[in-house]
Amino acid sequence: SQQGEEDPQALSIQEGENATMNCSYKTSINNLQWYRQNSGRGLVHLILIRSNEREKHSGRLRVTLDTSKKSSSLLITASRAADTASYFCASRPDSWGKLQFGAGTQVVVTP
Amino acid sequence: GAGVSQTPSNKVTEKGKYVELRCDPISGHTALYWYRQSLGQGPEFLIYFQGTGAADDSGLPNDRFFAVRPEGSVSTLKIQRTERGDSAVYLCASSPLAGWGGELFFGEGSRLTVL
Repeated sequence: SQQGEEDPQALSIQEGENATMNCSYKTSINNLQWYRQNSGRGLVHLILIRSNEREKHSGRLRVTLDTSKKSSSLLITASRAADTASYFCASRPDSWGKLQFGAGTQVVVTP
Repeated sequence: GAGVSQTPSNKVTEKGKYVELRCDPISGHTALYWYRQSLGQGPEFLIYFQGTGAADDSGLPNDRFFAVRPEGSVSTLKIQRTERGDSAVYLCASSPLAGWGGELFFGEGSRLTVL
């Protein structure tokens, strides 16, 4: 079963615009991670945010975490056509356990 | 190798047949994970190993699915009496240490089609 929901399921934007996607999860977490998947490929790790962090940046990526609402958001600024992919959040209940993935947001960036 | 390697990349089989999918993790990674991904869905957890032992197999859907990692490196996911509903991409991932808590490194997946 999936750990949580992602919103929106699909997002279509133009190059240069920002893309925001949201993730909710069900149980308490040690950390939450975001992954990217190009069509027909494996998943690539983007960023990890720990349960005691509220915001984290990496290049054009900004992640927020609200543990009281059990939710996270991923913002991609100044999007590029190469950002076209599916994006998944994954929660980890503790440092030893499995990652539980959401259903993903499919992002299409048109030139 | 440099990354997680999965073979075969594509497998087409007939209903009722037996299938083995292989995963070669990044050298030295002690934790290994199997996930299944259906079209348009996120990866669904199946099983993970710490070394040679299965630490959590709660995601295996039924007793037709079995996985081994006899020497703590390569793992094989075995599916008996395949059904059409088993069609999916099977993803393998590894991580450096038990209790790592960090990112997983994924392979490209094995696409299984059961006719």
